[in-house]
Amino acid sequence: DAMVIQNPRYQVTQFGKPVTLSCSQTLNHNVMYWYQQKSSQAPKLLFHYYDKDFNNEADTPDNFQSRRPNTSFCFLDIRSPGLGDAAMYLCAIQRTSGADTQYFGPGTRLTVL
Amino acid sequence: KNEVEQSPQNLTAQEGEFITINCSYSVGISALHWLQQHPGGGIVSLFMLSSGKKKHGRLIATINIQEKHSSLHITASHPRDSAVYICAASASGTYKYIFGTGTRLKVLA
Repeated sequence: DAMVIQNPRYQVTQFGKPVTLSCSQTLNHNVMYWYQQKSSQAPKLLFHYYDKDFNNEADTPDNFQSRRPNTSFCFLDIRSPGLGDAAMYLCAIQRTSGADTQYFGPGTRLTVL
Repeated sequence: KNEVEQSPQNLTAQEGEFITINCSYSVGISALHWLQQHPGGGIVSLFMLSSGKKKHGRLIATINIQEKHSSLHITASHPRDSAVYICAASASGTYKYIFGTGTRLKVLA
């Protein structure tokens, strides 16, 4: 059974039209991550939650926001998508801080027209 | 210079060949992870290593802490092994991953 579920798997939006991607987990892990991955590149961390504590990466654009209403769910909001935001968005979970394994979801492929 | 370097960047092999992918890192780590990503797919964790060697099926991962080097070996490679393999370090004092640039493997039938 999937541990990390992402919806939708494919999202098409128009330039400037807000979009929300969702991630849910079945393991109640403390840490949830959002990554952006462009073609042939390593994932780039956007932000993460440790429980309810939000941690933004310094170079994450203000256009990207996140919400974690409870342990199981986390959302990525892109307020005004630009063409450069087209990418795969990956959600990952991790049990605790430290060196534990991150478990990744299947990703949401975002297309911006 | 990246804190986590992988080689080679691209690798093409014939089915059945023994494959080695290398990872070097320059930071202190609490663990080193090997990940697999098929085209257009999510990322799957293969191994987490803090010392020694681990084996799962045809995959073997080793790490030398003193030399700050890890290798991923695939024995009897198969076309379904075609994927990007990524090494990622859990740097000491943090739980975030530092990713290598990935190795794109193609195994030909």
